[in-house]
Amino acid sequence: GIQVEQSPPDLILQEGANSTLRCNFSDSVNNLQWFHQNPWGQLINLFYIPSGTKQNGRLSATTVATERYSLLYISSSQTTDSGVYFCAVDSGGGADGLTFGKGTHLIIQP
Amino acid sequence: DTEVTQTPKHLVMGMTNKKSLKCEQHMGHRAMYWYKQKAKKPPELMFVYSYEKLSINESVPSRFSPECPNSSLLNLHLHALQPEDSALYLCASSQQGWANIQYFGAGTRLSVL
Repeated sequence: GIQVEQSPPDLILQEGANSTLRCNFSDSVNNLQWFHQNPWGQLINLFYIPSGTKQNGRLSATTVATERYSLLYISSSQTTDSGVYFCAVDSGGGADGLTFGKGTHLIIQP
Repeated sequence: DTEVTQTPKHLVMGMTNKKSLKCEQHMGHRAMYWYKQKAKKPPELMFVYSYEKLSINESVPSRFSPECPNSSLLNLHLHALQPEDSALYLCASSQQGWANIQYFGAGTRLSVL
């Protein structure tokens, strides 16, 4: 099956800092999603981005499908950005489950 | 509205109990999913229903029994679970097709004693 690797596994930053999270995947994908999992376990959709670039406020994402990686940028970090960020992909058509990376655990200190 | 509702939020059960987890969506999605997430691990796929038919079963033990009564509802029936089955169980749904974006519920946190 498809492999998904995320880096770094852990990241500790001060409030106001910028960060870049990386997701590498081993095969071509039809779907790539970035999620933020809050401390209560809720997976919050950030981006659906199998290719190209998107921005939403302080967050933006870029996927270079031909090189099999995606980047999530967080600017001007806030303490509420803390949590685990997952990249998840599927490579099939139709209704296939997502394969998740191991996540990046982000801690934003005040 | 992109809401997937899961009940209950928390569940404690003994190894001889029978219980059910419920998931509901009203987005008109035709695919629904169950994932299991152990502590400090990523979610792992258990089952996929497509147009109310089971399309993927990731070799899940038979003590987990999924059911899709209609296109809006997904159940997970639990019987004779083991303590190692304690986890966060997440439901998701998606509109099959070109942009198969999955939306997740808040999960049911299950403890098996």
